[in-house]
Amino acid sequence: QKEVEQNSGPLSVPEGAIASLNCTYSDRGSQSFFWYRQYSGKSPELIMFIYSNGDKEDGRFTAQLNKASQYVSLLIRDSQPSDSATYLCVNRGPNAGGTSYGKLTFGQGTILTVHP
Amino acid sequence: KAGVTQTPRYLIKTRGQQVTLSCSPISGHRSVSWYQQTPGQGLQFLFEYFSETQRNKGNFPGRFSGRQFSNSRSEMNVSTLELGDSALYLCASHRSSTNTGELFFGEGSRLTVL
Repeated sequence: QKEVEQNSGPLSVPEGAIASLNCTYSDRGSQSFFWYRQYSGKSPELIMFIYSNGDKEDGRFTAQLNKASQYVSLLIRDSQPSDSATYLCVNRGPNAGGTSYGKLTFGQGTILTVHP
Repeated sequence: KAGVTQTPRYLIKTRGQQVTLSCSPISGHRSVSWYQQTPGQGLQFLFEYFSETQRNKGNFPGRFSGRQFSNSRSEMNVSTLELGDSALYLCASHRSSTNTGELFFGEGSRLTVL
């Protein structure tokens, strides 16, 4: 089982629709969760992070976390063609002790295509 | 504010050679991490440095090594290159005073091993 698992897609949605991206993780000790967006040929950039169970909203983006189910999702409302990219689910594992933060683990990414 | 700078951007090596990649973090960022990105494996964590000390290490063989200097610049080295080492190597810097996990990535060094 992969530590962080995402559907690779591609996920195709029409412009204006809600895009739903899902992610599961295996390490119950994971501390925090992040969604990165990567445009083709570019480096990843952070769009959301979430630490606590529930929903977190930022503009058109909503991150949802359910630690009991080990499930994280990202909803994109009013999807735009400019949202077309690969979305990476990332978790930070438990602290290793001392000054070390937990290791970041990236999912394989979900390719999202928003068509006009 | 200058971003994360990685050099070289592209390089071609042959099997058995070694390579050194460089990363200059954003000014004021003291932590640097390295990642390997391939189409098949995605983004995989290599190592993370803070104040010249390795804080975390991924599951890569000992041929992969790194270090961080007192000015926070970092280098990674891959010895005895193999064909499978062909990848985009990404460096990211972040503020360690917070633990938001916000990474600022450089544009990467694309390594091709022939």
